[in-house]
Amino acid sequence: SQKIEQNSEALNIQEGKTATLTCNYTNYSPAYLQWYRQDPGRGPVFLLLIRENEKEKRKERLKVTFDTTLKQSLFHITASQPADSATYLCAQGLGAGTYKYIFGTGTRLKVLA
Amino acid sequence: DTAVSQTPKYLVTQMGNDKSIKCEQNLGHDTMYWYKQDSKKFLKIMFSYNNKELIINETVPNRFSPKSPDKAHLNLHINSLELGDSAVYFCASSHSTEEAFFGQGTRLTVV
Repeated sequence: SQKIEQNSEALNIQEGKTATLTCNYTNYSPAYLQWYRQDPGRGPVFLLLIRENEKEKRKERLKVTFDTTLKQSLFHITASQPADSATYLCAQGLGAGTYKYIFGTGTRLKVLA
Repeated sequence: DTAVSQTPKYLVTQMGNDKSIKCEQNLGHDTMYWYKQDSKKFLKIMFSYNNKELIINETVPNRFSPKSPDKAHLNLHINSLELGDSAVYFCASSHSTEEAFFGQGTRLTVV
């Protein structure tokens, strides 16, 4: 079955540094990967989507890469701020007609002032 | 204007009771989902509906029954609640399989 793995340990970084989160997938090649942010007591909020034929996607201070050889996506937050502290979830999309996303367990990021 | 709204936000009930969670989306999406997030924060799909038709039922006990009266609503009814049903339940919607919009969640506590 499809599986998404994220580093479940918390990641602490200093304000201003670049945070890099990892998402690895096994057993199936997703048509695309999505990244979501989840704050305590709230639902996940969509950030970025990257398709299998795209190597990199950017949005403001966010960057996502997709390496189909390594079966991995990296999520970068540059010039990180304390407000970026949250749990970040990677989700695997299986393509049109499948109607579900497989989520990873998420990585909790804490940006220290 | 809330895009995906769930009610109630909190639900505390005794074992054996029957309860419902309601979800509505005003985004005009054709697909709606129910996800369960356990204490370890793992988000797992339960059901997905496309144009009011059940598409995905991920080995969820029969005690859970989703109902979609129209494309904007997807409700979740749970019979004979058990302690293990305690979790946060999220409703979400999307247009086809693009980005999903989630509700704020319903924290269900079974005592």
